[in-house]
Amino acid sequence: DTEVTQTPKHLVMGMTNKKSLKCEQHMGHRAMYWYKQKAKKPPELMFVYSYEKLSINESVPSRFSPECPNSSLLNLHLHALQPEDSALYLCASSQRPGSYEQYFGPGTRLTVT
Amino acid sequence: QQPVQSPQAVILREGEDAVINCSSSKALYSVHWYRQKHGEAPVFLMILLKGGEQKGHEKISASFNEKKQQSSLYLTASQLSYSGTYFCGTPLSGGTSYGKLTFGQGTILTVHP
Repeated sequence: DTEVTQTPKHLVMGMTNKKSLKCEQHMGHRAMYWYKQKAKKPPELMFVYSYEKLSINESVPSRFSPECPNSSLLNLHLHALQPEDSALYLCASSQRPGSYEQYFGPGTRLTVT
Repeated sequence: QQPVQSPQAVILREGEDAVINCSSSKALYSVHWYRQKHGEAPVFLMILLKGGEQKGHEKISASFNEKKQQSSLYLTASQLSYSGTYFCGTPLSGGTSYGKLTFGQGTILTVHP
């Protein structure tokens, strides 16, 4: 099973809402990532979890809060987002942190109204 | 600092060849190549870990010139399925242990029948 799953596929939320994005992998990977991708732009790294610990936070605003409850699961909690946060949010995993291939999930298309 | 890809876009007919370049003003420690089709997640193609390395995946191959700080992706006898946006990704420091990739701006490849 080389699949990374993400839910929901689409999410529309108001600026005062709280919502969460979920990512799951069952490949035994020990590194997991959140990326943000705007239209016609490359994925932009937000967070890296390494062995369930947050190892990189790319100066992401605190309205985005990642969580890694176990080695298979990664969440991104959203609160008080802005319209400019609308984007495709991609989760990825790799065998270990480092120069290993990253497997991407299909993404969550987020719209903030 | 983001690696630079060229060209930004290329249009081919089936069976034609293309080369996509990825270069950096800073030292390159490894280069990852991904393809993203419209509305889908990026898919891993290959990693080049050391200078002089060359790899192949079906009719897609790549080379890594560490001294020139660049990598090239070669697509031969292109097929319709090759259409998509190609991204190179590089860790921007010698510490590759965290898997932090920065992607180039992408090259849009369109293959026509």
